[in-house]
Amino acid sequence: AQSVTQPDARVTVSEGASLQLRCKYSYSGTPYLFWYVQYPRQGLQLLLKYYSGDPVVQGVNGFEAEFIKSNSSFHLRKASVHWSDSAVYFCAVTGATGGNNKLTFGQGTVLSVIP
Amino acid sequence: GPKVLQIPSHQIIDMGQMVTLNCDPVSNHLYFYWYKQILGQQMEFLVNFYNGKVMEKSKLFKDQFSVERPDGSYFTLKIQPTALEDSAVYFCASSLGLGGRTLYFGSGTRLTVL
Repeated sequence: AQSVTQPDARVTVSEGASLQLRCKYSYSGTPYLFWYVQYPRQGLQLLLKYYSGDPVVQGVNGFEAEFIKSNSSFHLRKASVHWSDSAVYFCAVTGATGGNNKLTFGQGTVLSVIP
Repeated sequence: GPKVLQIPSHQIIDMGQMVTLNCDPVSNHLYFYWYKQILGQQMEFLVNFYNGKVMEKSKLFKDQFSVERPDGSYFTLKIQPTALEDSAVYFCASSLGLGGRTLYFGSGTRLTVL
């Protein structure tokens, strides 16, 4: 069975500060990992994804994430947050082989950026 | 980017009634999905669908649930009859293929069963 844990339900940071949102996954095979963002009254939008290769992947709007296999983690980072980054962030995993592209999501982290 | 449209954004119905949630997926996508999110909880997989057939469904996909996409029109989730515990936000998604292909999500339909 696959699972995702986002240990921080809410994170508050000041504008311009750095950010890390944590994600731990459990998957027995080779994982594909994703970060999605959900702005109010909108659908989920893909920020970035990891399939293979360089463990640090770059996404949109200055976000990046690092796949650390030994730690089963895929934390999301940003060097300097903007107020418009306030949203709910979801980490998700699916299997690289077989399966039906079924994503398993974490519970989400609500990010609030204060001026 | 590619857009998935969900209609309506909010639906309120009485318990026991039938409801149909509509999804207009990305035009050239072949795989379709429904996810359910109860308030304050994580989004959970319900079902995926390809070539007119259900590929996989979760234990949340009760017998009262059905999906179809007649003649390439809307991809629909029908619940008949509805129950109180069906109150949730339902998200539709589509993808071009499998193997980790990106899922594109709609903005959800909030279903309230009274």
